Amino acid sequence: GAGVSQSPRYKVAKRGQDVALRCDPISGHVSLFWYQQALGQGPEFLTYFQNEAQLDKSGLPSDRFFAERPEGSVSTLKIQRTQQEDSAVYLCASSPQTSGSYNEQFFGPGTRLTVL
Amino acid sequence: TQLLEQSPQFLSIQEGENLTVYCNSSSVFSSLQWYRQEPGEGPVLLVTVVTGGEVKKLKRLTFQFGDARKDSSLHITAAQPGDTGLYLCAGASNNDMRFGAGTRLTVKP
Repeated sequence: GAGVSQSPRYKVAKRGQDVALRCDPISGHVSLFWYQQALGQGPEFLTYFQNEAQLDKSGLPSDRFFAERPEGSVSTLKIQRTQQEDSAVYLCASSPQTSGSYNEQFFGPGTRLTVL
Repeated sequence: TQLLEQSPQFLSIQEGENLTVYCNSSSVFSSLQWYRQEPGEGPVLLVTVVTGGEVKKLKRLTFQFGDARKDSSLHITAAQPGDTGLYLCAGASNNDMRFGAGTRLTVKP
């Protein structure tokens, strides 16, 4: 497939469990973004990678959230000790641009996380 | 909290009507994008505007970037049921992109 893919599409976790969400960006895209989208809201920025470097993690809500992109391609967003307020759709986007103001982003379908 | 305010939050109209939705901020952006998102999918880019005062047309959709690059509008002419969806604006500066909460549009046949 040519688009951004995310897995799993749906994840149900018990409060306190750790989860890992995967993003496969479009091949060759340098930039990768993670967003959190709560019900009825727009996406909220979490973190940004340029290749394997995490250049901005200012949007991560707590130290329970951790993201990595070790080889500059696939990325994983990990949430430790999940809480009910973590329930949301987690969106991944990739972009061929490296920096600058013109960031055309291509989004994956998202992972819907429900914490019980 | 959303840096960009979108209005209205919800809009329900009949097929064939015209509509305008707005995206406002106190911040200046180097570019602004409009996306459409359907249930269970990620947002899909519609347009990017870069220059203050810029107007872009995409079939029945007209996008305008404010002169001060703080606000934008999306006008749809003769809306169709296929236009139904969540319309999101996103302001970009450097490597940051911030989204509004969106306008949820329903076009009834």
